[in-house]
Amino acid sequence: QSALTQPASVSGSPGQSITISCTGTSSDVGGYKYVSWYQHHPGKAPKLMIYEVSNRPSGVSNRFSGSKSGNTASLIISRLQAEDEADYYCSSYTSISTLVFGGGTKLTVL
Amino acid sequence: QVQLQESGPGLVKPSGTLSLTCGVSGGSISSRNWWSWVRQPPGKGLEWIGEIYHSGSTKYNPSLKSRVTISVDKSKNQLSLELSSVTAADTAVYYCARGVTMDPGRFDYWGQGTLVTVSS
Repeated sequence: QSALTQPASVSGSPGQSITISCTGTSSDVGGYKYVSWYQHHPGKAPKLMIYEVSNRPSGVSNRFSGSKSGNTASLIISRLQAEDEADYYCSSYTSISTLVFGGGTKLTVL
Repeated sequence: QVQLQESGPGLVKPSGTLSLTCGVSGGSISSRNWWSWVRQPPGKGLEWIGEIYHSGSTKYNPSLKSRVTISVDKSKNQLSLELSSVTAADTAVYYCARGVTMDPGRFDYWGQGTLVTVSS
């Protein structure tokens, strides 16, 4: 299974909105609602930000939202804050009952 | 509050076997959850290794399947990872994580991770 495709980096200024894409195939992202997004600060455990494409776990800011169109899922972060600077990973269930992650996107808050 | 803690040797020789355990506290390994191992090589992204249910059912990443064994020890409330025939490419931070049942990829608790270096 191949890693899902994410941009290597994105950046934005405080207060702005950014979108991180996650592109797969009909055998993963496009075929299932099981797309999750994780925030990962170096040296810490990844944190679940979005599950089932667009659902937020309790305690996650409503500035984080998710969507999906075809084989591409997206994480949208609005009203960007300095603390949002981190690596972000998408994951998806696959047609062979496994899980695949994206390559990761480094978010820089300017 | 569920807590996961990985442990094991930080250095493994090439061609050897990497062995890690993940202790679970604040919850039961026999709960209705899948338990996964995920790794991150230095400078690279996350990679799902595989998962196990307390019944012993397992699923593995096809690219690692021939070398991976994940098991549970209910008496110790822990899960284990064995990766054989390791090379430098297996150098990574290894995480264990709890998956939410019926929601693949939704990991609600993670360990802090442990760095394993493959080197002679």
